[in-house]
Amino acid sequence: QQQVKQSPQSLIVQKGGISIINCAYENTAFDYFPWYQQFPGKGPALLIAIRPDVSEKKEGRFTISFNKSAKQFSLHIMDSQPGDSATYFCAASKDTDKLIFGTGTRLQVFP
Amino acid sequence: KAGVTQTPRYLIKTRGQQVTLSCSPISGHRSVSWYQQTPGQGLQFLFEYFSETQRNKGNFPGRFSGRQFSNSRSEMNVSTLELGDSALYLCASSLLGPTSTDTQYFGPGTRLTVL
Repeated sequence: QQQVKQSPQSLIVQKGGISIINCAYENTAFDYFPWYQQFPGKGPALLIAIRPDVSEKKEGRFTISFNKSAKQFSLHIMDSQPGDSATYFCAASKDTDKLIFGTGTRLQVFP
Repeated sequence: KAGVTQTPRYLIKTRGQQVTLSCSPISGHRSVSWYQQTPGQGLQFLFEYFSETQRNKGNFPGRFSGRQFSNSRSEMNVSTLELGDSALYLCASSLLGPTSTDTQYFGPGTRLTVL
């Protein structure tokens, strides 16, 4: 019930393409769904987050799509750039409870 | 504003030893969470402290413990180290905790290697 399943494990995208990472959860009490970006040697950094009262949130080239009935949410990176190459983690939490992280997706964007 | 700092950045210990890791949160943040990151298990929550009190705890054995001081700085201790404790230990701070209106800021982590 506490798990967040993330796919794919790794993703290779051509520069300018769209990167899509998916996550699924089971606990319907989750009310906060952030995405984190982590570069090698660094801690994760918050990229974008969504609450279940909206179906989509866009910030620049990054968009979260949220499907409450399917208990799924996804990250779309438009016009992917080599600088986007990093590991991406989805997460979920409820109230002030701990963040439950997905297992991560290693994204490589080739020029 | 300075970010979350963690010391030391790298640590090598042998089995059976104990280790203490330190985390200084962003000024004004009262919540400090600790996570263990490994290639196989990803990011796993250890515990969260808020105003010197442990508010949440993950599913780790009692060998893992922590505390928070009045200035919000936090320490994490692992006793009787095992090979499987080798990991990147991350600290995250926020004003109130991992809520939908608060952002957790992560430090760079402490890389612990147990030989």
